[in-house]
Amino acid sequence: GENVEQHPSTLSVQEGDSAVIKCTYSDSASNYFPWYKQELGKRPQLIIDIRSNVGEKKDQRIAVTLNKTAKHFSLHITETQPEDSAVYFCAASLRGGATNKLIFGTGTLLAVQP
Amino acid sequence: GAGVSQSPSNKVTEKGKDVELRCDPISGHTALYWYRQSLGQGLEFLIYFQGNSAPDKSGLPSDRFSAERTGESVSTLTIQRTQQEDSAVYLCASSLQGVSYEQYFGPGTRLTVT
Repeated sequence: GENVEQHPSTLSVQEGDSAVIKCTYSDSASNYFPWYKQELGKRPQLIIDIRSNVGEKKDQRIAVTLNKTAKHFSLHITETQPEDSAVYFCAASLRGGATNKLIFGTGTLLAVQP
Repeated sequence: GAGVSQSPSNKVTEKGKDVELRCDPISGHTALYWYRQSLGQGLEFLIYFQGNSAPDKSGLPSDRFSAERTGESVSTLTIQRTQQEDSAVYLCASSLQGVSYEQYFGPGTRLTVT
């Protein structure tokens, strides 16, 4: 089955710097890669996603890149702000498959220092 | 509109007792998922419902775990003879299958087995 690895487990940056979180997946059939942000004590919320027919997607300060050949994808946050501090999870899924279940990475705790 | 809701928000139970966790998905969402989040870990898939059938139960960790769903509405996750390793946050998510695959998460039920 699918396995998703995520690095780093913790990341501390200064406000205004960029942050990059990387994930690799094992199942080449996976075609949907969402990123969720989970603030302390809150529910996970989708912040950006990418499909396998796209190499890069941007939404304001957030971007995701996908390398299908290498089976890895990354989240890039520019001009980080204290409110970006949270745990970020990557996930992989087979859209249109039997379940569309999400297989998650183990999360990255991002701390943005003011 | 109303998001995904779960009850109870917290549940403390003694080892060996049975517990029931409830999920109310977003109205009209045909797909419903249960995930488990252990301390410091990512989200682990448990079971998927499409309508009131469960085509993917592959994530249920043992036969002590079961779930059911009434139509395209409420779902109940039942854990029998709870063990300490069952302690975790149980998250429910729903999605409008076939239109958007985004999964919307509930706030979770924090289960503590003493």
